[in-house]
Amino acid sequence: NAGVTQTPKFRVLKTGQSMTLLCAQDMNHEYMYWYRQDPGMGLRLIHYSVGEGTTAKGEVPDGYNVSRLKKQNFLLGLESAAPSQTSVYFCASSFHGTSSGGNTIYFGEGSWLTVV
Amino acid sequence: RKEVEQDPGPFNVPEGATVAFNCTYSNSASQSFFWYRQDCRKEPKLLMSVYSSGNEDGRFTAQLNRASQYISLLIRDSKLSDSATYLCVVTDYSSASKIIFGSGTRLSIRP
Repeated sequence: NAGVTQTPKFRVLKTGQSMTLLCAQDMNHEYMYWYRQDPGMGLRLIHYSVGEGTTAKGEVPDGYNVSRLKKQNFLLGLESAAPSQTSVYFCASSFHGTSSGGNTIYFGEGSWLTVV
Repeated sequence: RKEVEQDPGPFNVPEGATVAFNCTYSNSASQSFFWYRQDCRKEPKLLMSVYSSGNEDGRFTAQLNRASQYISLLIRDSKLSDSATYLCVVTDYSSASKIIFGSGTRLSIRP
């Protein structure tokens, strides 16, 4: 079972370059998320999507754009990379964003991005 | 003040010991609570949900105290394989953006 797959796993960018991180899930989940994780900061939500064709801003959206053209894919774009965007990026998905029965969020393995 | 706060640790305990972590949250409207485990350079994975009445899964016990707005995780008879970072997760039903992760508590089990 693939679950949530992220590509690429590692990338080094120069300041000002652009790139796209791809996330794919095969669990037919409605909700998808992009987080970044920095030491001592925990996971912070960048953008999320509650269904195909929808996106919304999270806690730290500046400098990033997203698209959800297909239900199974959620793309994260860096328009003009900055050193402050050096981080580990995790994509995640869930069946519903919230539910009374609790809800499991499944994560991809992470993408390590360094901006020099 | 952070919405979800955890003691970052590290907790360094011998194998077989009992260890407990707390996590406090500020949003009284929070409704779902979880503990996730994250190994070094890996993705977080669900350890267990936390229910109002408290719940147990093998050596792990989770408790919720809504009045004081904290959740706890107790690990009994700790194993070397329990070494990881434990993340507290708090959500409410109003928005997918209201899924808040704590910064995590590092646990190291020594032989």
